[in-house]
Amino acid sequence: ETGVTQSPTHLIKTRGQQVTLRCSSQSGHNTVSWYQQALGQGPQFIFQYYREEENGRGNFPPRFSGLQFPNYSSELNVNALELDDSALYLCASSIGGPGTQPQHFGDGTRLSIL
Amino acid sequence: QKEVEQNSGPLSVPEGAIASLNCTYSDRGSQSFFWYRQYSGKSPELIMFIYSNGDKEDGRFTAQLNKASQYVSLLIRDSQPSDSATYLCAVIAGSARQLTFGSGTQLTVLP
Repeated sequence: ETGVTQSPTHLIKTRGQQVTLRCSSQSGHNTVSWYQQALGQGPQFIFQYYREEENGRGNFPPRFSGLQFPNYSSELNVNALELDDSALYLCASSIGGPGTQPQHFGDGTRLSIL
Repeated sequence: QKEVEQNSGPLSVPEGAIASLNCTYSDRGSQSFFWYRQYSGKSPELIMFIYSNGDKEDGRFTAQLNKASQYVSLLIRDSQPSDSATYLCAVIAGSARQLTFGSGTQLTVLP
């Protein structure tokens, strides 16, 4: 039990639609990161939030956006969905500042784009 | 050059043997190193982390770090079929100090 909960578990969308994925972390987990994992690949860093501010972003276009809320929940929004967005989306959180403590993952949301 | 490189495998070992998983990284400034285990269809699970040169042992797992060689490894002693999974090496890198992952090594432990 990592204390990180993601919803929904699975989601099917069509090209051009928009999606919001949600993550709930334990109290005190100030740092939350989102990753995209394609089949057979390692997770790729999308962005990271620390105390509700985005403090880093990977090589993803602006149609990937996010928010972190005061109650330690966060969300990932993806606009104008493309077929290549089909992947497992992972949320990971940790106490303390970025990189200071190990991150633990939620179970992920598997997104399929038709 | 990828920031974190792992042999993709697959790696097969017999039950009871030692499995050795290797990882190299490019950022000399990296200070924190992690091994995650990922079962098929599941999310990564943290199994070991190491910050200092040398060995760190936890049960059947030993993580080894050599910063001069930019090399980190994971040894699994007395391998069990339940250890069959993909093992992901990750380092803290980048301006955001985010986790940067290798592509993973698929391990199969044969009964």
